[in-house]
Amino acid sequence: AQSVSQHNHHVILSEAASLELGCNYSYGGTVNLFWYVQYPGQHLQLLLKYFSGDPLVKGIKGFEAEFIKSKFSFNLRKPSVQWSDTAEYFCAVNAGNQFYFGTGTSLTVIP
Amino acid sequence: KAGVTQTPRYLIKTRGQQVTLSCSPISGHRSVSWYQQTPGQGLQFLFEYFSETQRNKGNFPGRFSGRQFSNSRSEMNVSTLELGDSALYLCASSLEANVGQRDFGPGTRLTVL
Repeated sequence: AQSVSQHNHHVILSEAASLELGCNYSYGGTVNLFWYVQYPGQHLQLLLKYFSGDPLVKGIKGFEAEFIKSKFSFNLRKPSVQWSDTAEYFCAVNAGNQFYFGTGTSLTVIP
Repeated sequence: KAGVTQTPRYLIKTRGQQVTLSCSPISGHRSVSWYQQTPGQGLQFLFEYFSETQRNKGNFPGRFSGRQFSNSRSEMNVSTLELGDSALYLCASSLEANVGQRDFGPGTRLTVL
């Protein structure tokens, strides 16, 4: 069965630290990849997406992600986190006719 | 443009009852999908509708059903509620089925007592 794995369930960082959240998927065909963010009390918002082309994609609020096809990965990065980045982050994969989500990573940024 | 709207935002029901949740997609979006979000399971896909037809279905029991109307609005129904059905139910819309990003609504928080 297809799946999306987010290995970090809970991450705690201090402000200005660098962030990398892992996302791996299991699907051998063409995929579209997404990162969504859910701030406390708010609905899911799209951070960034990859459909094709440059495997390094930039999203909103300084986030970026790199698609590494050989590793079936789409890790999310940010060079310097802020307190306002505290949220839940979900990786998602559109593969075939399905849309799969990871279980999410809760990020807490300490001021 | 207006986002995805879901009603009601909060709902409290008791075991055995049934519930209907509503979702209005972004104008022009023809696909609506539903997800159940719980702390331990993350987002789990329920089903997706496009042009009033169910296109995909997740691994949920038959107590969970849905439909889509000609104006693309969708409803989700859960019958014979169980305690484990307590969750945030999210609706997402997209231009087409199966492809592209989903735009999510705020969700309906269902609590089953």
